[in-house]
Amino acid sequence: ELKVEQNPLFLSMQEGKNYTIYCNYSTTSDRLYWYRQDPGKSLESLFVLLSNGAVKQEGRLMASLDTKARLSTLHITAAVHDLSATYFCAVTNTGNQFYFGTGTSLTVIP
Amino acid sequence: KAGVTQTPRYLIKTRGQQVTLSCSPISGHRSVSWYQQTPGQGLQFLFEYFSETQRNKGNFPGRFSGRQFSNSRSEMNVSTLELGDSALYLCASSNRGGWGSPLHFGNGTRLTVT
Repeated sequence: ELKVEQNPLFLSMQEGKNYTIYCNYSTTSDRLYWYRQDPGKSLESLFVLLSNGAVKQEGRLMASLDTKARLSTLHITAAVHDLSATYFCAVTNTGNQFYFGTGTSLTVIP
Repeated sequence: KAGVTQTPRYLIKTRGQQVTLSCSPISGHRSVSWYQQTPGQGLQFLFEYFSETQRNKGNFPGRFSGRQFSNSRSEMNVSTLELGDSALYLCASSNRGGWGSPLHFGNGTRLTVT
């Protein structure tokens, strides 16, 4: 079974700082997804990465994919309070079944 | 375009009862997946339906079942409820034919078993 690990699980950071969330997965996959979940809300799709070296950016968030290392990163630049949420990565197997990571709970402190 | 709609939003049941949750996917999406989310276990895959057929199944007991109708709407049933079934149940739809299509999630049904 495909395993997806994220770290850190919890992240508390000051406004204005930069940080990176890591997502490792256990078997070959070239489709990687990032989601955001606000407390009590559903998951919102942020990025879809479909090839080795893919990079996507939206505002203060940038996601990248290294399929050889089986690693994706979500980089946060100059964090603001609105980015506080839980972030999930997910990969799919050849049957298009989604496997989610454990999530990273991000708190941005003023 | 309307999003994924789940009903009801909240449910309170007692142990031993059964419950049915409903999900209407985004128009045109034929794949519907169900997930259980709990603080301790994270997001766990229950099953996926595509064109009324179960395509994938997670590692849950047989008390958890589902079905999909010809209009792609899906229902999930849990029989003989246990306290540990308390969770947020999320439904997601996708355009399965589109390679790299993300899942689109509904707002979930929060089930509390007492």
